[in-house]
Amino acid sequence: KAGVTQTPRYLIKTRGQQVTLSCSPISGHRSVSWYQQTPGQGLQFLFEYFSETQRNKGNFPGRFSGRQFSNSRSEMNVSTLELGDSALYLCASSLAGSPLHFGNGTRLTVT
Amino acid sequence: GIQVEQSPPDLILQEGANSTLRCNFSDSVNNLQWFHQNPWGQLINLFYIPSGTKQNGRLSATTVATERYSLLYISSSQTTDSGVYFCAVEKIGNQFYFGTGTSLTVIP
Repeated sequence: KAGVTQTPRYLIKTRGQQVTLSCSPISGHRSVSWYQQTPGQGLQFLFEYFSETQRNKGNFPGRFSGRQFSNSRSEMNVSTLELGDSALYLCASSLAGSPLHFGNGTRLTVT
Repeated sequence: GIQVEQSPPDLILQEGANSTLRCNFSDSVNNLQWFHQNPWGQLINLFYIPSGTKQNGRLSATTVATERYSLLYISSSQTTDSGVYFCAVEKIGNQFYFGTGTSLTVIP
């Protein structure tokens, strides 16, 4: 069974631009969640989607948004990029009441 | 949110040595996972252990939910065990809170 797939692996963007990251969950997994990892703040929860609905949202500004499609694939979008948005963005999928399985992440650099 | 503290923050071991990593959390939780992050950034699930004890090869974990802590044991460490170990806890809704990690270096 294929794992969680995140694309792209690396991104370089300029301040003020926007970016879209993609995540394909493990087949059959309907929950997809997103995390941001930075050296200063560690791993922080962004949001979680289940059956195309956002069920939970972390403490991030509205510039961070996401969505989930009917095939459970998810995208997250960051608008008006800031230097502090440079981070490793990790996507995880899971079945109800079961472990999180993470993808390889997208490393975003904002210059 | 829930506070998750991991200790020690850094650990250097000689190959073959044993170690214990600790995770304390500030509130009751529904789930707890241990992860290993490899040098390429991928988080590998080690244990899903809201309570009790589990073993997988040289690794084992114990969670005492009533006392709000979990332990990860690594025996006969190998250089491939190097990386950062994270504990993550969930109270509700698949929102996990991560600790700051233990950075493990195993030297040959």
